Amino acid sequence: EAQVTQNPRYLITVTGKKLTVTCSQNMNHEYMSWYRQDPGLGLRQIYYSMNVEVTDKGDVPEGYKVSRKEKRNFPLILESPSPNQTSLYFCASSLQGSYMNTEAFFGQGTRLTVV
Amino acid sequence: DAKTTQPNSMESNEEEPVHLPCNHSTISGTDYIHWYRQLPSQGPEYVIHGLTSNVNNRMASLAIAEDRKSSTLILHRATLRDAAVYYCILSEGSSNTGKLIFGQGTTLQVKP
Repeated sequence: EAQVTQNPRYLITVTGKKLTVTCSQNMNHEYMSWYRQDPGLGLRQIYYSMNVEVTDKGDVPEGYKVSRKEKRNFPLILESPSPNQTSLYFCASSLQGSYMNTEAFFGQGTRLTVV
Repeated sequence: DAKTTQPNSMESNEEEPVHLPCNHSTISGTDYIHWYRQLPSQGPEYVIHGLTSNVNNRMASLAIAEDRKSSTLILHRATLRDAAVYYCILSEGSSNTGKLIFGQGTTLQVKP
């Protein structure tokens, strides 16, 4: 079954404690990205990756890091989480970076609370 | 970024057709029109997309106006499981960022 898998689904952490949210896809997609969803603000892109070792900032990259060492994995790293990073996070993948004629697959989401 | 406008909410009765409108008056010639939906506590899910011609798939139909300034997502027989937030999104054909710009969407309520 084609899927994007995120872990963990729920996470409560304290300010400043480094954490990683993992994302893995089994469709051999080149393109992956991270979004955060906040009430009233919709989904906003954090980072994206066009392929292995190719990453770039989205609209709200501050406080986040990513890496793409393997095609299937695209972890989101919060080096020093702060309460304003409390949000619902989604990983997405697609066959190509241009959404002209392709669909994006989203993970189930990670609800992060930073206290 | 080209923007879309959708009603905040709509209601439908179960097993009746639903027409969800979207206005995108600033659409460019290379922008595809995509629809995604988000069920409660889940990630967004692809529904359908198109460029100029009407499109049909197992989930829905997409009707695109001749001038492409508006489109309508059609659910032929709404079920309770179709209750979700529906997003109309334009993808920039010239962009390789892959960014989907989600607006507020339309919250669809389906009554039994």
